[in-house]
Amino acid sequence: DARVTQTPRHKVTEMGQEVTMRCQPILGHNTVFWYRQTMMQGLELLAYFRNRAPLDDSGMPKDRFSAEMPDATLATLKIQPSEPRDSAVYFCASGLGRGANTGELFFGEGSRLTVL
Amino acid sequence: AQKITQTQPGMFVQEKEAVTLDCTYDTSDPSYGLFWYKQPSSGEMIFLIYQGSYDQQNATEGRYSLNFQKARKSANLVISASQLGDSAMYFCAMREGNYGGATNKLIFGTGTLLAVQP
Repeated sequence: DARVTQTPRHKVTEMGQEVTMRCQPILGHNTVFWYRQTMMQGLELLAYFRNRAPLDDSGMPKDRFSAEMPDATLATLKIQPSEPRDSAVYFCASGLGRGANTGELFFGEGSRLTVL
Repeated sequence: AQKITQTQPGMFVQEKEAVTLDCTYDTSDPSYGLFWYKQPSSGEMIFLIYQGSYDQQNATEGRYSLNFQKARKSANLVISASQLGDSAMYFCAMREGNYGGATNKLIFGTGTLLAVQP
C-alpha cells in the first residue's frame, strides 16, 4: 500500500532550536509539496518541487525555512531557528505532475511541531 | 488569482440523511480541477472526489457526489446517507491550469467541520 511517509510524527522543541522534518514521497511521484496547517491560517502551501527541482517556495519565510530534495525518495523541510509561531502541523504531499488523470495529491500523516 | 471559499465553518446532519457542503471558487483560467478532501480527527488528508472544468457530468464516488455549477463557480459536495464515520473536516481545493501543463499545486479553502448525529 503506497503512502507518503513523514517523520517525526510529533516534535516538541524549544525556541531557537533547529527542526528538520522528512518526507518520503510515493515511489514514482515526481511532484512533492509542503503544506502547513494552523487553526488561524488553514492549509498554506510552503514549497513544492517537480522532479526534485524547486518550483515555488514563495509561501515560506526565507530567513528561517528551507526545503530541499536531496534525492527522489527524500524531501526535507528545515526550520532554523524555530519560533513559537512555527507551531503547526506540517504536511508533505506527493503527486504525478504529468500524465495522470486528475492530479490529486496524496498526503502524509503530518508532523505536529510544537515550539515552546 | 485563484481563490476557494467555504462559507460554512460547521454543520450538523442526522445519520442517514444527505448533506451538502458548499464551495465556491474564483479563477480566470478556463482549465482547472476541483477536489474535495476529508480530514478526520486523526489528522490525515483523504482524497474524496475530483471534477475537471471540462467534465460534462458531475463526478460521483460512492456516497459522494460533486454538484458542479460552472456558471456559478460552485462545486458543492453532497454526501448521501450520512454515517457517523463521516464526521470530519472537509476541504475544497482547486488546481489551476490544464493538467498536462500544470504543476498540480492545490489551493485549499478553510474547511467545513461536519458532525453527524446519531
